[in-house]
Amino acid sequence: NAGVMQNPRHLVRRRGQEARLRCSPVKGHSHVYWYRQLPEEGLKFMVYLQKENIIDESGMPKERFSAEFPKEGPSILRIQQVVRGDSAAYFCASSPDRVIQETQYFGPGTRLLVL
Amino acid sequence: KQEVTQIPAALSVPEGENLVLNCSFTDSAIYNLQWFRQDPGKGLTSLLLIQSSQREQTSGRLNASLDKSSGRSTLYIAASQPGDSATYLCAVKASGSARQLTFGSGTQLTVLP
Repeated sequence: NAGVMQNPRHLVRRRGQEARLRCSPVKGHSHVYWYRQLPEEGLKFMVYLQKENIIDESGMPKERFSAEFPKEGPSILRIQQVVRGDSAAYFCASSPDRVIQETQYFGPGTRLLVL
Repeated sequence: KQEVTQIPAALSVPEGENLVLNCSFTDSAIYNLQWFRQDPGKGLTSLLLIQSSQREQTSGRLNASLDKSSGRSTLYIAASQPGDSATYLCAVKASGSARQLTFGSGTQLTVLP
């Protein structure tokens, strides 16, 4: 009965490199959300995806960031040409496709450090 | 735009005390409100979920209340223990088709033995 899985747990990148963060939702969940937590702050919504579709990306920076949730495999958050300001914890959450009131289940997060 | 505020930002209490954490939100059109616990370097653990039609939820030593009309929620922790030390986050889910949660910045709780 695995929960939301994220990998890697820690990721170090130099400025200008690419970062790929992976999220496997709870089995049977078809909705995935990505949140970012900057140091000493709460979580900020980035993007909401269903299988093969981006539903809401209003919280995601327009440049360098992209997300996908393919029919098979995990959801991927991709950050191109990382900068120091991208250093943060990135959390993935999932929920089932039943009722909107359903809680979201969070993964352990990926801590990205940009040198 | 929904904004969630948590007061205080940090709280330190001796073991055994009862304590209250506060959360306020600006838009009362919410589906639900949720309290999470976050331990350092870890993910989020859901503590209590209150639907918009409910007034409170209880789980063990935790009790959360919701006053939607005034945009407030409180998390009451009875007989605090050192193991309760963590950051507590409040989050609201808006009405409508939006599914994302809007989080407060959290209250960092330290329970001293």
